[in-house]
Amino acid sequence: DTAVSQTPKYLVTQMGNDKSIKCEQNLGHDTMYWYKQDSKKFLKIMFSYNNKELIINETVPNRFSPKSPDKAHLNLHINSLELGDSAVYFCASSQEVRDRWFSGYTFGSGTRLTVV
Amino acid sequence: DQQVKQNSPSLSVQEGRISILNCDYTNSMFDYFLWYKKYPAEGPTFLISISSIKDKNEDGRFTVFLNKSAKHLSLHIVPSQPGDSAVYFCAAKLDSNYQLIWGAGTKLIIKP
Repeated sequence: DTAVSQTPKYLVTQMGNDKSIKCEQNLGHDTMYWYKQDSKKFLKIMFSYNNKELIINETVPNRFSPKSPDKAHLNLHINSLELGDSAVYFCASSQEVRDRWFSGYTFGSGTRLTVV
Repeated sequence: DQQVKQNSPSLSVQEGRISILNCDYTNSMFDYFLWYKKYPAEGPTFLISISSIKDKNEDGRFTVFLNKSAKHLSLHIVPSQPGDSAVYFCAAKLDSNYQLIWGAGTKLIIKP
């Protein structure tokens, strides 16, 4: 039973299209994230939601819009796709625990987006 | 400016020997450090962490050491096994928020 699942795993699409990537977690975590792994393999945070509230919104084009219908779901919608959007996108979730203990993130398996 | 640096893009170690992966950071306000392991076509998986109030944390074959004065942490894997071949990411967290700051990763190759 997958803890953080994202769909689709692979997505090939043409420039200019609009696409969505879905993410769901069954861990009961309060916080969810979208990360982009670029061509240099850096993991860069894009967005973070805590209990459906946007808490991190890094400098990404406004063609990218996250949507969190509930705390178990965080979807990523991308408008007018460009070649440079090609990357692997990872969803993750975490649970902040008081007393300085942090459980870390649980990642999905990634969505490889290829824009042609 | 990278706040978390992994200066070795790759490391090759003989099976059975010790693997030592290094990570340097610049921000003294980081309160938590984590190591993640990533196989190809999979998401990173949490390996081990250490709070800034400690200098060592051990979990089976994995030990993380933290040297706050040098702003340096390292991951030791003993003994190294073929299944340890993966990319290892170091990450750091500020007390004040949820965000992790990531290093660029080190590819560990365990030779038989």
